[in-house]
Amino acid sequence: QKEVEQDPGPLSVPEGAIVSLNCTYSNSAFQYFMWYRQYSRKGPELLMYTYSSGNKEDGRFTAQVDKSSKYISLFIRDSQPSDSATYLCAMIRSGYSTLTFGKGTMLLVSP
Amino acid sequence: DSGVTQTPKHLITATGQRVTLRCSPRSGDLSVYWYQQSLDQGLQFLIQYYNGEERAKGNILERFSAQQFPDLHSELNLSSLELGDSALYFCASSLGPDDGYTFGSGTRLTVV
Repeated sequence: QKEVEQDPGPLSVPEGAIVSLNCTYSNSAFQYFMWYRQYSRKGPELLMYTYSSGNKEDGRFTAQVDKSSKYISLFIRDSQPSDSATYLCAMIRSGYSTLTFGKGTMLLVSP
Repeated sequence: DSGVTQTPKHLITATGQRVTLRCSPRSGDLSVYWYQQSLDQGLQFLIQYYNGEERAKGNILERFSAQQFPDLHSELNLSSLELGDSALYFCASSLGPDDGYTFGSGTRLTVV
């Protein structure tokens, strides 16, 4: 079992839809949680960063962490074609600074 | 522009050869991380340097090595290249674990 599991997709939605992206993890030592967006052949771009259970909102994006279930989510409201990209979850273990990534979910938002 | 600069953007080389990838971190960041991204493996951590010292090692092959210089730029050296080393190589930098990582735009390595 991989430490971080993420459905590769693709996930196809119409413009304006609410998108839900998810990751599960197996190691309870993970304490910091991030979501990155990666456009084709570009570097990952940090979208959201949280280290506590609960919700964190930033514009159209909401990150949710449930440490008891070892489950994190990213919600995108009013999705746009420009949101079409691969979304990667990433985590850091307590006492460490290296990121462990999920494989990413490809999102396609059609106009 | 993320502030993390990687050169070259593209590299095509033959099997058995050696290449050097270069990374300049974001101003003020002391940590540099190297990641390899392939289609089947996703983003894999290779190695971390902090202020010139090796801090952590991941799935880095013995044929690969890295260093961080006093001006904080880093180089990743890949030798005895094999076809399977073809991948995107990313460098990231951070101030600390509370800061998140900032990634460069990567070097696409093709081994033929």
